[in-house]
Amino acid sequence: EAAVTQSPRNKVTVTGGNVTLSCRQTNSHNYMYWYRQDTGHGLRLIHYSYGAGNLQIGDVPDGYKATRTTQEDFFLLLELASPSQTSLYFCASSGSPGQPSQNTLYFGAGTRLSVL
Amino acid sequence: GDSVTQTEGPVTVSESESLIINCTYSATSIAYPNLFWYVRYPGEGLQLLLKVITAGQKGSSRGFEATYNKETTSFHLQKASVQESDSAVYYCALGDPLTGGYKVVFGSGTRLLVSP
Repeated sequence: EAAVTQSPRNKVTVTGGNVTLSCRQTNSHNYMYWYRQDTGHGLRLIHYSYGAGNLQIGDVPDGYKATRTTQEDFFLLLELASPSQTSLYFCASSGSPGQPSQNTLYFGAGTRLSVL
Repeated sequence: GDSVTQTEGPVTVSESESLIINCTYSATSIAYPNLFWYVRYPGEGLQLLLKVITAGQKGSSRGFEATYNKETTSFHLQKASVQESDSAVYYCALGDPLTGGYKVVFGSGTRLLVSP
């Protein structure tokens, strides 16, 4: 069954720490996304990619890097984590423009990150 | 810019009662937006509940309904009789049919609590 899988599900780190969040999709989608979800805000787009080796900046990219190693795998990197990055992170995938349901998003279960 | 505003939660409803979660949108950069409701059950990622791409049309799924009203720029979610299993967070969103998921804009989410 096609899916989006995130790991870890929970992560605690300290200020200044290094964190990598992983996402793998088996939907055969070209587009993948990283969002953060905070109370009082809708999902906010951090970075996205339309294929291996590609990276596009989203709406709230500061403090985050990302890398798309294959069509299936998309990673979010926090190299100097700060308490303001404590949040619930979602990965998602979608089809490409011109494909059916191109703007329908398929989400992973989320990673809850706490930066102390 | 584009934006989505929805009922601030939590919304508490007794089982078998009716429900409405309000959603209004502003689509300044999208001529004919697609409208979505996503749902996030505890411990899971967001999943598409329903999608409507044409103004004046109604979408329905799992007993929920929403009508795309271009005149009032609204897309309210309704259900005639809720169940305890409907307890979740509901997100209204809009997307651009000409682009990918990177232009999807989410509301802040409405937590629904259904009491037995």
